[in-house]
Amino acid sequence: AQSVTQPDIHITVSEGASLELRCNYSYGATPYLFWYVQSPGQGLQLLLKYFSGDTLVQGIKGFEAEFKRSQSSFNLRKPSVHWSDAAEYFCAVGIDRDDKIIFGKGTRLHILP
Amino acid sequence: DAEITQSPRHKITETGRQVTLACHQTWNHNNMFWYRQDLGHGLRLIHYSYGVHDTNKGEVSDGYSVSRSNTEDLPLTLESAASSQTSVYFCASSSGSASGGEQYFGPGTRLTVT
Repeated sequence: AQSVTQPDIHITVSEGASLELRCNYSYGATPYLFWYVQSPGQGLQLLLKYFSGDTLVQGIKGFEAEFKRSQSSFNLRKPSVHWSDAAEYFCAVGIDRDDKIIFGKGTRLHILP
Repeated sequence: DAEITQSPRHKITETGRQVTLACHQTWNHNNMFWYRQDLGHGLRLIHYSYGVHDTNKGEVSDGYSVSRSNTEDLPLTLESAASSQTSVYFCASSSGSASGGEQYFGPGTRLTVT
């Protein structure tokens, strides 16, 4: 069955430091992959998505993610975090052509001043 | 600008009551989805619809129902609210074309069942 694993429930980094959030998926075919961000009390906003082609994907707010088929991973990175990046981040995999998505359980990012 | 809205934003109800949460989108999207978000579980799919008069059960559909009478709206009904249904509910929509699954989310409804 399709699944998404985000191994880190919480991550704390200092402002200005680099960030990597991990995501592993299980899916038989080439997946559609997404990262969403949720600020407190808000809905989810799409950061970036991978469908095909270049395995390094650029998103909004300075985020990028790299699709590695051999590792079934789609890790999210940012070279220098800002206090406003504190939020919950969800990795997700699209599991069929009709836009259904399975979400990971999320990683909450805390930023130290 | 196109958007997706949910109402009410907060709701407190009693066990056993019927509750309906509204979702309205102006994207003209074919696909609409309802999720619940609980600590430690992420987002779980309740029901979804691929078009008018189409509805499908998701992962956690027991105790919930939806109906789709037009493109814009997918109301979620809790037939007899239970304390286990205390949660934050999100509605989402997608175009169903070559978008590859990108979903647009509403702001959420926080439901408390006492």
